Amino acid sequence: GIQVEQSPPDLILQEGANSTLRCNFSDSVNNLQWFHQNPWGQLINLFYIPSGTKQNGRLSATTVATERYSLLYISSSQTTDSGVYFCAVDTSYDKVIFGPGTSLSVIP
Amino acid sequence: NAGVMQNPRHLVRRRGQEARLRCSPMKGHSHVYWYRQLPEEGLKFMVYLQKENIIDESGMPKERFSAEFPKEGPSILRIQQVVRGDSAAYFCASSSTGQPYSNQPQHFGDGTRLSIL
Repeated sequence: GIQVEQSPPDLILQEGANSTLRCNFSDSVNNLQWFHQNPWGQLINLFYIPSGTKQNGRLSATTVATERYSLLYISSSQTTDSGVYFCAVDTSYDKVIFGPGTSLSVIP
Repeated sequence: NAGVMQNPRHLVRRRGQEARLRCSPMKGHSHVYWYRQLPEEGLKFMVYLQKENIIDESGMPKERFSAEFPKEGPSILRIQQVVRGDSAAYFCASSSTGQPYSNQPQHFGDGTRLSIL
């Protein structure tokens, strides 16, 4: 089955810093989503981005489907950005495959 | 426009008891997916259901776990004779169309955190 990797596994940022999270996948995908799981465990959908670039406030994402990767950019990070960021892809008709996540801690 | 609703948010059970987790999909969605997140891990697919049908249960443990999505009412994930290893967060997602060829994302609920004493 498809393999999904994320890097880095852990990241510590000073408040105000920028960062880039990466998601690599081993096969063609129909859909790709980025999620933020906050410290309370809630999953928040950030982007649905099977290809191209999208922006939402301080966050933006780019997926290059032909090269099988996606990037999530966080600018001017805030402590509320802390949590785990998951990349999730689906290739077949019935399931979404999640990456292992990047754990982000933003310190004041 | 309510999202995917899961209840309870937290559930505590003793070993050997039964756990029932409920999921009401978004309005107009007839496809439901269950995922399990073990501590410090990502989410893993368990089962995909449409109304009254199990489409794919390849991620479900072979014993003690079952799922249903009746014609009326929420989807239920049932765990019989729970053990400590069942402690996890269980997430439900729904979508408006079934794959393949769907371009609609799955919408996730807030999860049920199951703790086994």
